[in-house]
Amino acid sequence: AQKVTQAQTEISVVEKEDVTLDCVYETRDTTYYLFWYKQPPSGELVFLIRRNSFDEQNEISGRYSWNFQKSTSSFNFTITASQVVDSAVYFCALSATGGNTGKLIFGQGTTLQVKP
Amino acid sequence: ETGVTQTPRHLVMGMTNKKSLKCEQHLGHNAMYWYKQSAKKPLELMFVYNFKEQTENNSVPSRFSPECPNSSHLFLHLHTLQPEDSALYLCASSQTGTANGELFFGEGSRLTVL
Repeated sequence: AQKVTQAQTEISVVEKEDVTLDCVYETRDTTYYLFWYKQPPSGELVFLIRRNSFDEQNEISGRYSWNFQKSTSSFNFTITASQVVDSAVYFCALSATGGNTGKLIFGQGTTLQVKP
Repeated sequence: ETGVTQTPRHLVMGMTNKKSLKCEQHLGHNAMYWYKQSAKKPLELMFVYNFKEQTENNSVPSRFSPECPNSSHLFLHLHTLQPEDSALYLCASSQTGTANGELFFGEGSRLTVL
């Protein structure tokens, strides 16, 4: 069975703090893709990153960084120097049948509140 | 401005009503999706359309009836819904065959069934 677990339901930090959102996944497939999406209050999900199972290199994009570790089946997301605009719900997702089918399995989401 | 537009943004309906949700994508994609987002639950895939053909129905009750007249438009027809169907319904599109696999989502239609 495929599953994505985001154990942190809600996180509250003060602006400029670093914060890490955890994501643990389960799959028996050897080829799979992992995603992070951001859902601001307006409702639409915004794509942040896609990684395939063969690429364990960590990635940094501005204040965002991702740590993919197959050994622990984790794909954690860190925001450095958080800002109020980072307040949103963040979803981790898994796709096993290629990354372009849209059949994503989402975690429950983590609500991040960044206070000024 | 989002490339995927959903209307209406909010809808309140009784259990005996018939209503429709509309989704339009302006991105030239050929795949469209309906997802359901309920409170305290993960997003659930409902339907997938590729080139207007339905390729996925994730065991969705027949009171939800999708329609995809072309690659740019997707509808979700609703009839005799239940209060537990109240949720945010998200439409998404993607370009199949690309290496990215990125889904583009609309802002959703917030449905309340009384």
